[in-house]
Amino acid sequence: AQSVTQLDSQVPVFEEAPVELRCNYSSSVSVYLFWYVQYPNQGLQLLLKYLSGSTLVKGINGFEAEFNKSQTSFHLRKPSVHISDTAEYFCAVSGYTGNQFYFGTGTSLTVIP
Amino acid sequence: EAGVVQSPRYKIIEKKQPVAFWCNPISGHNTLYWYLQNLGQGPELLIRYENEEAVDDSQLPKDRFSAERLKGVDSTLKIQPAELGDSAVYLCASSSLREGGRHTQYFGPGTRLTVL
Repeated sequence: AQSVTQLDSQVPVFEEAPVELRCNYSSSVSVYLFWYVQYPNQGLQLLLKYLSGSTLVKGINGFEAEFNKSQTSFHLRKPSVHISDTAEYFCAVSGYTGNQFYFGTGTSLTVIP
Repeated sequence: EAGVVQSPRYKIIEKKQPVAFWCNPISGHNTLYWYLQNLGQGPELLIRYENEEAVDDSQLPKDRFSAERLKGVDSTLKIQPAELGDSAVYLCASSSLREGGRHTQYFGPGTRLTVL
């Protein structure tokens, strides 16, 4: 089975500053990794995913993440955040079949003007 | 293209009452998921359908929860009777093996259930 740990439950950051949201996973098999964003009272929206290939993955809204197999991490980064990035961010992992998704507990990103 | 539609968006009921949630996935998506999201937590899978077949319902509390997807399109999730601990957001998602594969799930806005 797989599991996901999001190390920070809340991350405050000033507008236009860089941000990193941390995600570590555990799995006995190879996995696929995802980051989702959830705005208040909305469903989850896919930011980016790592399935194979380059370990640096670029997503929507200027976000990117790097898959590090040796450290079992998939941290999300953005070089300059905007007020509109304030939301809940979830890291998720699945096996190759894609039948089961395991989500982390989420990181609440608050961008301060 | 319309996204995943869920209704109602909000529901408040007394404990021991029944409640039902409805989901209409993206057209052509054969895989449908129901997730439970407790406050401050990530979504947890309740049940997964491939067309009309429930292929993974291991996390569905079958004593009070039931689900159906009779024609392989819309789905209904029911709780009877509801308990205080069922207060949560119920998310529906869909995916297609053709469109990004099962790994790209598209989520609806969810139904927020409050049990009093």
